[in-house]
Amino acid sequence: DGGITQSPKYLFRKEGQNVTLSCEQNLNHDAMYWYRQDPGQGLRLIYYSQIVNDFQKGDIAEGYSVSREKKESFPLTVTSAQKNPTAFYLCASHPGLGNQPQHFGDGTRLSIL
Amino acid sequence: AQSVTQPDIHITVSEGASLELRCNYSYGATPYLFWYVQSPGQGLQLLLKYFSGDTLVQGIKGFEAEFKRSQSSFNLRKPSVHWSDAAEYFCAGGSYIPTFGRGTSLIVHP
Repeated sequence: DGGITQSPKYLFRKEGQNVTLSCEQNLNHDAMYWYRQDPGQGLRLIYYSQIVNDFQKGDIAEGYSVSREKKESFPLTVTSAQKNPTAFYLCASHPGLGNQPQHFGDGTRLSIL
Repeated sequence: AQSVTQPDIHITVSEGASLELRCNYSYGATPYLFWYVQSPGQGLQLLLKYFSGDTLVQGIKGFEAEFKRSQSSFNLRKPSVHWSDAAEYFCAGGSYIPTFGRGTSLIVHP
């Protein structure tokens, strides 16, 4: 079955360290997204990509970076500039057709040591 | 600007009781609307979607939602709640870059 795979499930970051969250999809979707989820705040868009080698900032991009070198992959790096990285991170994809929903991975929980 | 509002942060129901979760939207044209469910530590799973046509849409797990343009609402309903329905529910509007509500946490009492 096609889907989105996020890894790892749990990740710990030390102060001053960059960490990278993996997101892979085999749905052949054009668009991919990263969301941050904090309790009571719903989903906030970090970055999204409509096509390979192109991506745009979302609402809370500061302290994060992404790349889209392959259609299937959209890794998210949480840099040391992100001072409050503890959250649940969700990756999603979309086929690019207007009347379709997003598909989501199972998330990565990032915590600070 | 497009917006989606879920007025209720928490909803508590007894098992077997009916359920209605509220969602209000603000869009210029007829929006694409979705309801998702999220279990703890999991991603979002699509329950149902509305694009056009019949205003009452059926979804998975016995859920349905009704689109009411006059009230700008897209409320989610279930006639009889099961303990396994306890989860976080998100309403979303728009398709390519959807706007999400803040979510409603459903608590089910035995």
